[in-house]
Amino acid sequence: NAGVTQTPKFQVLKTGQSMTLQCAQDMNHNSMYWYRQDPGMGLRLIYYSASEGTTDKGEVPNGYNVSRLNKREFSLRLESAAPSQTSVYFCASSELQGAWTGELFFGEGSRLTVL
Amino acid sequence: GNSVTQMEGPVTLSEEAFLTINCTYTATGYPSLFWYVQYPGEGLQLLLKATKADDKGSNKGFEATYRKETTSFHLEKGSVQVSDSAVYFCALSDQNSNSGYALNFGKGTSLLVTP
Repeated sequence: NAGVTQTPKFQVLKTGQSMTLQCAQDMNHNSMYWYRQDPGMGLRLIYYSASEGTTDKGEVPNGYNVSRLNKREFSLRLESAAPSQTSVYFCASSELQGAWTGELFFGEGSRLTVL
Repeated sequence: GNSVTQMEGPVTLSEEAFLTINCTYTATGYPSLFWYVQYPGEGLQLLLKATKADDKGSNKGFEATYRKETTSFHLEKGSVQVSDSAVYFCALSDQNSNSGYALNFGKGTSLLVTP
């Protein structure tokens, strides 16, 4: 049971470098999300995709872009990394509408350090 | 907007002690309420939920009751175990939101249970 898979699990970048965090889910969920987790801040929503072909900004979208490649995959891109983007990033997915239970399924996280 | 406030940790308890982690919320409409748990090195996973006032969610000995009159959803367990050591997040979702049904999380409460 893979569930939600994120890659890479760890990454160190220098300021100004770019990278993409990959996320894939095998539960046929419509909605996918990217959160970041910082000490004392809890989880904050960066971007979400309510369904294939749509993406929208969350609470903290600045400095990030996303792509919903297909129903399974939702990537997060940092075009020019900054030290403030040092964080643990979580991808999540959920079902919507008639089958909505409110439960989000999370990946194991990607720890990113920007020097 | 919708938000969740939970007690700050860390909380340190001896095994078999009683646990309460307070959570209060601010929301328009009728949100669903959740407790998620994050074990070390892992992503978040749903612990329990309640979708309407006076509902009680329960799982693994944990309970929480949706109290609309006090806008609260406190997590309780009668006898904690070392294996309960984790970070606990209170969260809410408004099914009528336009955020793809993303959840708003509290900042998390770290629990350490000692033998």
